[in-house]
Amino acid sequence: RKEVEQDPGPFNVPEGATVAFNCTYSNSASQSFFWYRQDCRKEPKLLMSVYSSGNEDGRFTAQLNRASQYISLLIRDSKLSDSATYLCVVNAGRANAGGTSYGKLTFGQGTILTVHP
Amino acid sequence: EAQVTQNPRYLITVTGKKLTVTCSQNMNHEYMSWYRQDPGLGLRQIYYSMNVEVTDKGDVPEGYKVSRKEKRNFPLILESPSPNQTSLYFCASRPTFFPRDGYTFGSGTRLTVV
Repeated sequence: RKEVEQDPGPFNVPEGATVAFNCTYSNSASQSFFWYRQDCRKEPKLLMSVYSSGNEDGRFTAQLNRASQYISLLIRDSKLSDSATYLCVVNAGRANAGGTSYGKLTFGQGTILTVHP
Repeated sequence: EAQVTQNPRYLITVTGKKLTVTCSQNMNHEYMSWYRQDPGLGLRQIYYSMNVEVTDKGDVPEGYKVSRKEKRNFPLILESPSPNQTSLYFCASRPTFFPRDGYTFGSGTRLTVV
C-alpha cells in the first residue's frame, strides 16, 4: 500500500462547480498535512496546511480525519485558473532512532483538475 | 526576491557523462531536499540536508550524490548518468527541519539521458 494515495482523476468540472478531492495515508503516526498545487511542467507550490479542526482559505477548505486517515480538499465556485494538479502531502511520522524521518514529507501522485467554461 | 534557483532548466546528456545540477536558495533555510518526479510515481525524495555538512539519503538515492558545504547551496551530482535517471528534478528548501514549514521549490530541471 502506498504511503499517500490520491485519485489521479482527471476531474473535469464547469466553472462555478464545487469539487472535492480525497487523500488517504497509511502511517497513523503522521502529524503534518498539506495540499500543494502544481501547474503543468512547473514547480509545486504550497496551497494550504491542513489542521485537525479543519481550515478554510477563501474558496478552499481542507479537512483532516485522523480516525479514517484521510484528508480532503474542497474547492467552491471553481475558476478556470484552478486547473492544475493537486498534491496531497503528509509528514512521514514520528522520529526514528536516528531522529531524521520526522522531517520527511511524502507526496501523493496528485489529482488532475480541469475547469472548463 | 526569496527563491530557490536551479540550473540548468533543461539538460540532455549521454550515458556516463558526469553532470551537476545546481541549487541555491537566498532565504537562509536550514533544510534542503532534492526530488525527482516521474509519471505515475509522483515526487520521490532523493537526498536531503538538515544543515551544512549534514546530508542523508531519501527514498531513491542510488546513482546520486549531494554536498552541503554552504547553507545556500545544495548541488545534485550524477557521477555516471543512466537513461533511468531521465526525469524532472526539483530542489526544495524550508526554514527548518520541522515539516510544518512549507517547502519552496525551484523551477525544476528536466534531464534527459540518452
